[in-house]
Order: sequence, then C-alpha cells, then structure tokens
Amino acid sequence: DSGVTQTPKHLITATGQRVTLRCSPRSGDLSVYWYQQSLDQGLQFLIQYYNGEERAKGNILERFSAQQFPDLHSELNLSSLELGDSALYFCASSEELAGYNEQFFGPGTRLTVL
Amino acid sequence: GQQLNQSPQSMFIQEGEDVSMNCTSSSIFNTWLWYKQDPGEGPVLLIALYKAGELTSNGRLTAQFGITRKDSFLNISASIPSDVGIYFCAGQLPNFGNEKLTFGTGTRLTIIP
Repeated sequence: DSGVTQTPKHLITATGQRVTLRCSPRSGDLSVYWYQQSLDQGLQFLIQYYNGEERAKGNILERFSAQQFPDLHSELNLSSLELGDSALYFCASSEELAGYNEQFFGPGTRLTVL
Repeated sequence: GQQLNQSPQSMFIQEGEDVSMNCTSSSIFNTWLWYKQDPGEGPVLLIALYKAGELTSNGRLTAQFGITRKDSFLNISASIPSDVGIYFCAGQLPNFGNEKLTFGTGTRLTIIP
C-alpha cells in the first residue's frame, strides 16, 4: 500500500458527460501528480500541483482541469467526455520538489466512456 | 507524448532465471526510477537512482544509472512467480519547476511454468 488513495476505483459513463476523480496523497506529501495510462500512449503526465498551486502541465486537454485543496487532496475533472478518454487515471504524490523526488502512485481510477 | 525506449518489450523466462532490461533516452535525466505494475493496479516503486554511475540494489533487484545519464538498467536475479508483471522505467529531467516523470514503454515479464 503506497499510502495514496483514489476514488472511485471504476467509473462508467457516457460520451458528453463530466466526471470527477479524487486523490488523497500520502501523509506529509505536498506534491500531487496526475497521469493517464492508455494502451496506445502508455503512462503520460497530465498535471502537477504543489501545496495548492498548479506547478506544471503536460499533455492535458482543455476539457480536463484539476485542483488541489487546502487539505492537499486533489480532484481531476474531465468534461465533454469522448470515447478516447477511456483510460486508467493515476494520481501520485511526493514529499519534496527538488533532489530526492520519489513519486508514489495510487491504485488508479479506470474510466470507461461508452 | 514522449516515451522512453525500453527493451525488451516482453520476456518469457523460466523460474530461477535472471532478467535484464534497459531504458534509453535522447535526453539527460537527473533521476531514474523503476516501477512494477500488476494488472489493474498502480505502479509500485522498486528502485530510485539519483547519480550517474550509481548502482543500487533492492533484494534480488539491481539497477544502474548510466554514465551518460541517458540510460538505465534493471536486473532481476533468480526470478520467482511474483516477479510477473510489467516493469517501467521513468526519468525526471533536470528542470526546476517541473518534476514530472517520463515513462518507458514497459517490459512485460512472463514466467513459463
């Protein structure tokens, strides 16, 4: 158990809908990262938050947004869903920014868009 | 999106054999991490490497940070059934302000009974 929790474990929805994925980092970790894993693209970085502020953006679509709350949990919002958004979405957390930056992953949310 | 070149793509071995896999990049990395992922689960961190030339062990696993900082290797000795899964390398660029990981394409390890 990495100490990172994600809910829900599975999500099935229809095209055009909006969903929210939730992540709680390990105790003491200030940095949260979101990654998408699909069969054809592998694990891809989406976005990073550090202590409530957006720190870096990767291949995140404009239809997707995220935030990190004062209690450090994070939510990833996916809207106007398309079939191609079906994937595993992982949250990871780390303690520090620079130097030793080991990222620990949650169990993921499997999103299926029908 | 960018992915690191990881080889081999898959391996079929017998229990007790040693395993080697590697990862190469066109960019220099400050950090190399190796993860294992079981089906439907999140990646689990196996080994972290922070210095060029560093050799680090974790039980039967040994990983090395290449001297050029553009590659890394993972060896598993005396494989056992629970080693089955997908192994990913991940690199972190020396860019302050972005600590994202760039992942390899994965090596699927299967143990033949």
